[in-house]
Amino acid sequence: EAGVAQSPRYKIIEKRQSVAFWCNPISGHATLYWYQQILGQGPKLLIQFQNNGVVDDSQLPKDRFSAERLKGVDSTLKIQPAKLEDSAVYLCASSLLFYTGELFFGEGSRLTVL
Amino acid sequence: DQQVKQNSPSLSVQEGRISILNCDYTNSMFDYFLWYKKYPAEGPTFLISISSIKDKNEDGRFTVFLNKSAKHLSLHIVPSQPGDSAVYFCAASVTGNQFYFGTGTSLTVIP
Repeated sequence: EAGVAQSPRYKIIEKRQSVAFWCNPISGHATLYWYQQILGQGPKLLIQFQNNGVVDDSQLPKDRFSAERLKGVDSTLKIQPAKLEDSAVYLCASSLLFYTGELFFGEGSRLTVL
Repeated sequence: DQQVKQNSPSLSVQEGRISILNCDYTNSMFDYFLWYKKYPAEGPTFLISISSIKDKNEDGRFTVFLNKSAKHLSLHIVPSQPGDSAVYFCAASVTGNQFYFGTGTSLTVIP
């Protein structure tokens, strides 16, 4: 079974530029999550989708971050414009049943904002 | 605010001995807890979970203990192996909704 796929693995941009990350969850997983992990901290949930609907985006900085999950499968997370403090690893995860907590994470996309 | 705390950033143990990783939480509504393991350059992988109706859950060498009155959980690894060297995150949620992660404990098992 293929795991959660993310791209790109690494991205370096200047502040005020934009960036997009892509995620393809495990086939059949209805729930998809985007987490932000800043160095030395635990993952923080940005947005949670159930199929193509948003379940929780309370911690998503909506003035600069956006995410979509068209057709309830793969998802894109966009940052525009980027700030220095957005430097982090962006982790995508999926789960079959949202309440079990067994999240399957991708390898992450490491963003450096200069 | 940090609702889930792992106060020990790192831990070293000898191979074959017990590793005990600790986690404290502040929200008494949390009813589901998990441990994840993370190797460098990889995403976290699920290790073991426990619901608040239990105080212990065991899976092979891994046991999680939950003390609700103290708002504390711990992960015991017995015996520890060099392959267990990784960063361990605890996470907590209310009925499986948003999971709050701790800051992680880096475990080193010395051969």
